[in-house]
Amino acid sequence: EVVLTQSPATLSLSPGERATLSCRASQSVNSQLAWYQQKPGQAPRLVIYDASNRATGIPARFSGSGSGTDFTLTISSLEAEDIAVYYCQQRRSWPVTFGQGTRLEIK
Amino acid sequence: EVHLVESGGGLVQPGGSLRLSCAASGFTFSSSLVMSWVRQAPGKGLEWVSAVWGSGDSTHYADSVEGRFTISRDISKNTLFLQMNSLRAEDTALYYCAKAGASGSIYDSWGQGTLVTVSS
Repeated sequence: EVVLTQSPATLSLSPGERATLSCRASQSVNSQLAWYQQKPGQAPRLVIYDASNRATGIPARFSGSGSGTDFTLTISSLEAEDIAVYYCQQRRSWPVTFGQGTRLEIK
Repeated sequence: EVHLVESGGGLVQPGGSLRLSCAASGFTFSSSLVMSWVRQAPGKGLEWVSAVWGSGDSTHYADSVEGRFTISRDISKNTLFLQMNSLRAEDTALYYCAKAGASGSIYDSWGQGTLVTVSS
């Protein structure tokens, strides 16, 4: 099973700052990695698929990069509505696995 | 617009069974589409549970549910199911139905979830 390790566990930033979230895989997943945003009381929402493709309706301030084992989700200029827990997920091999999440807070 | 509506959750005793359903609309519920269940224990992260796809109904399960849970679907009724047997306290979670996109096993649509509580 591919283990995904996200860091940091919690990220606290001010509006307008740049947020950088990391996801490291225990083995290569090529570019078969996605990022999800989950706000309190809501279902997850797809943000990035295949490492760097923004999902429908996702603002341009969100971007994804990486391949192999190291991936990054970047929010270029943080907005209050971006407060959420962000999860990475790989589809390279069964079972599908998720990272443990990074909680993004606004200072 | 895609809609996924889960039902069937509730309180069940350890060792008991439940059958979850997910009614889908707004897209073609075809055999080539990957559909999955993902769960989230209270205050915890996301855990993938199972997936089904293909005309022969290929399936995969997380080790934690293998042999106890069975995923299936009725294409004629646009409905996904999860039969859960031999339930344990650690199966307590909000169970989401999720639809994969063209990339396969990347979930572009989610339901709001149905809560399963396993307790005596």
